[in-house]
Amino acid sequence: LAKTTQPISMDSYEGQEVNITCSHNNIATNDYITWYQQFPSQGPRFIIQGYKTKVTNEVASLFIPADRKSSTLSLPRVSLSDTAVYYCLAGYQKVTFGTGTKLQVIP
Amino acid sequence: NAGVMQNPRHLVRRRGQEARLRCSPMKGHSHVYWYRQLPEEGLKFMVYLQKENIIDESGMPKERFSAEFPKEGPSILRIQQVVRGDSAAYFCASSPLEVSPEQYFGPGTRLTVT
Repeated sequence: LAKTTQPISMDSYEGQEVNITCSHNNIATNDYITWYQQFPSQGPRFIIQGYKTKVTNEVASLFIPADRKSSTLSLPRVSLSDTAVYYCLAGYQKVTFGTGTKLQVIP
Repeated sequence: NAGVMQNPRHLVRRRGQEARLRCSPMKGHSHVYWYRQLPEEGLKFMVYLQKENIIDESGMPKERFSAEFPKEGPSILRIQQVVRGDSAAYFCASSPLEVSPEQYFGPGTRLTVT
């Protein structure tokens, strides 16, 4: 299972685009990259998943370079309600989430 | 379609008692995962079950912890003789397939051992 590394915390003003980068240097060939969001006292919620290049849904975009050793979650025009912890996972479900990135959106 | 249900949401036990945590997966989901989260930490995988089978329990402590997912009824995570270090949030997740794009998480059970 690939180990992931991401910043512990980030601050952003409302309305800005936020990019959170995750490194996964030893990602396996068949591993997908998945991002989850977790609010206090709630279970994680799936945001987006990708294998390579770019994936976009109604919530976020995920950019994965050709070597797949890193990925970047992009949240367009964040609002206060996007304040949460964001987890990057490389592998399948039986993984341990890291400590994630605590995003604080500032008014 | 109701989401993943967990109960109780909060559970207080004295040291030495047993804790039983229940998880009802989403309708149609036959794969269940249990995770534990300590304060200010990420979720740690404990066990993966399918109906009537434990597939992977590599994250479960060797003693006092057990899990089941019977043919009928919810999945149960059981902790015997609880200790203060068992205090944590326990999350259950389900998916329709073993290899699925996403897991659907329940709201968690917060266990406090006094």
